[in-house]
Amino acid sequence: DIQMTQSPSSLSASVGDRVTITCRASQSISIYLNWYQQKAGKAPKLLIYTASSLQSGVPSRFSGSGSGTDFTLTISSLQPEDLATYYCQQSYSTPRTFGQGTKLEIK
Amino acid sequence: QVQLVQSGAEVKKPGASVKVSCKTSGYSLTSFGLNWVRQAPGQGLEWMGWISAYTGDTNYAQNFQGRVTMTTDASTSTAYMELRSLTSDDTAVYYCARERKMGLVAAATYDSWGQGTLVTVSS
Repeated sequence: DIQMTQSPSSLSASVGDRVTITCRASQSISIYLNWYQQKAGKAPKLLIYTASSLQSGVPSRFSGSGSGTDFTLTISSLQPEDLATYYCQQSYSTPRTFGQGTKLEIK
Repeated sequence: QVQLVQSGAEVKKPGASVKVSCKTSGYSLTSFGLNWVRQAPGQGLEWMGWISAYTGDTNYAQNFQGRVTMTTDASTSTAYMELRSLTSDDTAVYYCARERKMGLVAAATYDSWGQGTLVTVSS
């Protein structure tokens, strides 16, 4: 199974800050990497697919990059509504594994 | 618009089975794969498996092999996930998620999700 490791596990940032979350795969997954946002008590929501493509309707302050084993999710200017937990997921092979999540708090 | 509406919360005793439904609308169930993902309280997301409503093919995570069955009913546009021999470790919110192939590499993404079904296993 491919292991996905996110860092940090949690972070606190202020409105307007640039925020970066990293995700590392235990083997190369090319660009088969998705990012999801999950708000408290809600289902996850797709933000980014194939490492860097923005899902329709997602604000442009979200961006993704990377390939192979190392990936990043960046929020260019943090907004209050970005309070959530963020998960990466590989779709290179089954089982479709997720990272452990990064809980983002607003200062 | 695309919607996935899941059945209500369940309370089960250890050793029992649970069957969660996921009624889809706004698209053809047979045109997309359907995945099940669970989330234990305060924990991360765990992929359980996938079913093609078109062929009936399934792919289950090793952790659930022999204990899970995923099915679909095209006539009612509904998918089902049955989990047997429940233990307290199966207490979780269970999600169905539509799989859509996106991008030039046709990568699998979960672009629409159900609202989740809480299954509580307790004696």
